[in-house]
Amino acid sequence: DIQLTQSPSFLSASVGDRVTITCRASQGISSYLAWYQQKPGKALKLLIYGASTLQSGVPSRFSGSGSGTEFTLTISSLQPEDFATYHCQQLHSYPLTFGGGTKVEIK
Amino acid sequence: QVQLQESGPGLVKPSETLSLTCTVSGGSIDSYYWSWSRQPPGKGLEWIGYIYYSGTTNYNPSLNSRVTISVDTSKNQFSLRLSSVTAADTAFYYCAKRDNNGYYIYWGQGILVTVSS
Repeated sequence: DIQLTQSPSFLSASVGDRVTITCRASQGISSYLAWYQQKPGKALKLLIYGASTLQSGVPSRFSGSGSGTEFTLTISSLQPEDFATYHCQQLHSYPLTFGGGTKVEIK
Repeated sequence: QVQLQESGPGLVKPSETLSLTCTVSGGSIDSYYWSWSRQPPGKGLEWIGYIYYSGTTNYNPSLNSRVTISVDTSKNQFSLRLSSVTAADTAFYYCAKRDNNGYYIYWGQGILVTVSS
């Protein structure tokens, strides 16, 4: 199985901050990576697919980059509604796997 | 807009079988892949498996011997059965639809299933 390691697992930030989350794969996955936002009691929301393609309707302050084994999700200016948990997922090979998640909280 | 809704018992006894259904509305179940994932409280997500509308399945080997995913196109539903459950199977269970680009855009809100006597 391909392991995804997200870092940090927790971060505290302020509104307006630039936030970067990293996802490292245990082997190369090309660009078959997705990023999701999760809020309590709500469905997962796809933010980025193909490592860097913004899903329709997602604000442009979200961006993704990387290929191979190292990927990043960046929020250019954190907004109040962005406080949530973020997950990466690889879709290169089965079984599909997720990172451990990064919880973004208000400083 | 496609919507998915998980349903089923919120409490299952150890050694019994967990059964959940995902009802799809706002679109047909035909011609797409449908999946189940789960998340123990406070932990990360785990992919369980998928089913194609025609019935082809692919399961996570970690659960392969205990899991069955089925589809009922007439009801626009697909289902998950997980046998011989233990406390380690306590989790939020999510269903999702794989879009034509191969990514999972549509997810249900999730249902918490607790395994306890």
